Amino acid sequence: AQSVTQLGSHVSVSEGALVLLRCNYSSSVPPYLFWYVQYPNQGLQLLLKYTSAATLVKGINGFEAEFKKSETSFHLTKPSAHMSDAAEYFCAVSLNTGFQKLVFGTGTRLLVSP
Amino acid sequence: DGGITQSPKYLFRKEGQNVTLSCEQNLNHDAMYWYRQDPGQGLRLIYYSQIVNDFQKGDIAEGYSVSREKKESFPLTVTSAQKNPTAFYLCASSIATTGSGYTFGSGTRLTVV
Repeated sequence: AQSVTQLGSHVSVSEGALVLLRCNYSSSVPPYLFWYVQYPNQGLQLLLKYTSAATLVKGINGFEAEFKKSETSFHLTKPSAHMSDAAEYFCAVSLNTGFQKLVFGTGTRLLVSP
Repeated sequence: DGGITQSPKYLFRKEGQNVTLSCEQNLNHDAMYWYRQDPGQGLRLIYYSQIVNDFQKGDIAEGYSVSREKKESFPLTVTSAQKNPTAFYLCASSIATTGSGYTFGSGTRLTVV
C-alpha cells in the first residue's frame, strides 16, 4: 500500500525567503505524486504532478518539486515566498497503473510573515 | 466552464437527523470521491465510485451512504449513525485511469447543533 509522510505540520517563513515543504512516500511500485494547495474554507487545487517524465516538475505560482527515487522524496520548493502563498499544502501518491486512487498526507500549513 | 459544484457551503444538522450533501460535476469524469477533512488529520476517504451504479467504501464509510445514479452526481448522506459528523466534506472527480489527479469541489462544512 502507498503512503506519504509530510514532515512538519506547520512551516513558517518570511516573505521573500525560500519555501521548502517536505514529502516522503512509500510505494511498492513506481508512484505518481501530486502536490495540492488549499486556501481556507476552499477545496484543493492541483499545484503540480510527477508522472514519470522529468524528475523536476514545475507547477503553478512558481512552485516546483523534484522526484528523488533514492530518497523516496518529492519535496515542494519556491525560491521566494509571497504573502499569498500562505495556505495548507498536501502531498499525495497513487499507483502508476490501474484505477486512480490518491492517498493524501496530513498536510503542512505554510505561514508567511512580512 | 467545467467544474465540480458542492452544495450547500454550510449545513447545520440536529442530533438524530440525516442530511444529504450534493456534488455535481460537468467534467465528464467517470470517477467521483468523497473525503472528510478534520484539523490535523488530512483527508480521509469515505466512498468512491468508478462508474455509474457502482461505488466502494473507503476508509471511514461507517455512518455514511452514497448513490451514483447519474454520471454527473454523487450525493453523500450523513446518517444519524455517524457519531461525530462535524467536519469539512470535500467531493472530487477524475478520469478513471491514473495520472491526472483529482478536481475538487469547494467543500461543505457540516456542523451538528
